[in-house]
Amino acid sequence: GNSVTQMEGPVTLSEEAFLTINCTYTATGYPSLFWYVQYPGEGLQLLLKATKADDKGSNKGFEATYRKETTSFHLEKGSVQVSDSAVYFCALSDPPGTYKYIFGTGTRLKVLA
Amino acid sequence: KAGVTQTPRYLIKTRGQQVTLSCSPISGHRSVSWYQQTPGQGLQFLFEYFSETQRNKGNFPGRFSGRQFSNSRSEMNVSTLELGDSALYLCASRGGAGELFFGEGSRLTVL
Repeated sequence: GNSVTQMEGPVTLSEEAFLTINCTYTATGYPSLFWYVQYPGEGLQLLLKATKADDKGSNKGFEATYRKETTSFHLEKGSVQVSDSAVYFCALSDPPGTYKYIFGTGTRLKVLA
Repeated sequence: KAGVTQTPRYLIKTRGQQVTLSCSPISGHRSVSWYQQTPGQGLQFLFEYFSETQRNKGNFPGRFSGRQFSNSRSEMNVSTLELGDSALYLCASRGGAGELFFGEGSRLTVL
């Protein structure tokens, strides 16, 4: 079946460091891809999305590109801040076009001042 | 505009009891989904409702059920609780572009 694989965390970075969180997926068809973020004690918030191959989603300095050839949707940010500390989830819509999502296991990011 | 509201935020039950959780979606949203979040399994889809009809269902036993009312509010029920049902239960309503808006969750502890 369809699945999402994220890199294991936690990821610990110093402020202003470059961030990459890897996400690869297995899916039939053309799912939409998403990154969600969960801050402590809160629900998930949509960070960015891409709906077709080569689309780049971006928000708050984060970006991710839908790569069909490598089935990847890696999250990047050029300069992280302490306030970016959270858990990040990669997700896809399964089946494509529906709103039943498959989430990755989440990657915890800790940014040190 | 108000976000997704889930009640109660925290609850403790004992094995064998049943529990009902409530979710009020963002005004105007007609689709409500439920997810179970645990440290071991991550986020797992339970079910999705649209206009009072269940459209999708995840791989959970029949002890897990839900419903949606005409005002789009949704409830989920878990009967005969087991220790493994301890989790954060997240509700989400769907926006026009397909994105999910999550509530803060109901944290259930089963003793």
